[in-house]
Amino acid sequence: SQQGEEDPQALSIQEGENATMNCSYKTSINNLQWYRQNSGRGLVHLILIRSNEREKHSGRLRVTLDTSKKSSSLLITASRAADTASYFCATRGAGSYQLTFGKGTKLSVIP
Amino acid sequence: DAGITQSPRHKVTETGTPVTLRCHQTENHRYMYWYRQDPGHGLRLIHYSYGVKDTDKGEVSDGYSVSRSKTEDFLLTLESATSSQTSVYFCAISPGDFNYGYTFGSGTRLTVV
Repeated sequence: SQQGEEDPQALSIQEGENATMNCSYKTSINNLQWYRQNSGRGLVHLILIRSNEREKHSGRLRVTLDTSKKSSSLLITASRAADTASYFCATRGAGSYQLTFGKGTKLSVIP
Repeated sequence: DAGITQSPRHKVTETGTPVTLRCHQTENHRYMYWYRQDPGHGLRLIHYSYGVKDTDKGEVSDGYSVSRSKTEDFLLTLESATSSQTSVYFCAISPGDFNYGYTFGSGTRLTVV
């Protein structure tokens, strides 16, 4: 069964705007990760946030984690057309070897 | 993708035939994974390996087997392909067990007719 669930399923914004995607999960985690997938390609790892961290930045990406609410958000600032892709959250359960992926948010950035 | 290749990239096969997909890595990573990606289901783990000859089942392992005789190669076999196994298959690698991201291959698009 899916651990993480992204929201919204699809998001369309203008270039230069910020994009926010959310992820909710159900059980205790060791870490939460975000991945990007361009159409027809493999997934690319973006950022990993551990369960004892609350916020992490990488370039134009900002990830927050609220373990009390079992949720995370991914913010992409000043979006570009090249950011058009599907974004997945993935959770690593406490003590688990497995990374469980959500179904993704499809982001379209309109030039 | 750098350090990890999947073959073949595309395959069409008939129902009932065995099919083997190959994942090859040059990163010397200990952990290797096979996922399938289907519309409406996201990515689901089929099998994974935590070392040579060490493998375990994932969420959707029925109808699949794996083998890892060398660090660099992880094979996924569909013992008798069915139409429900039509999917895009991704291999992933990771250097460690917990606090590492995965590197994914480019995928194999398999169609079972």
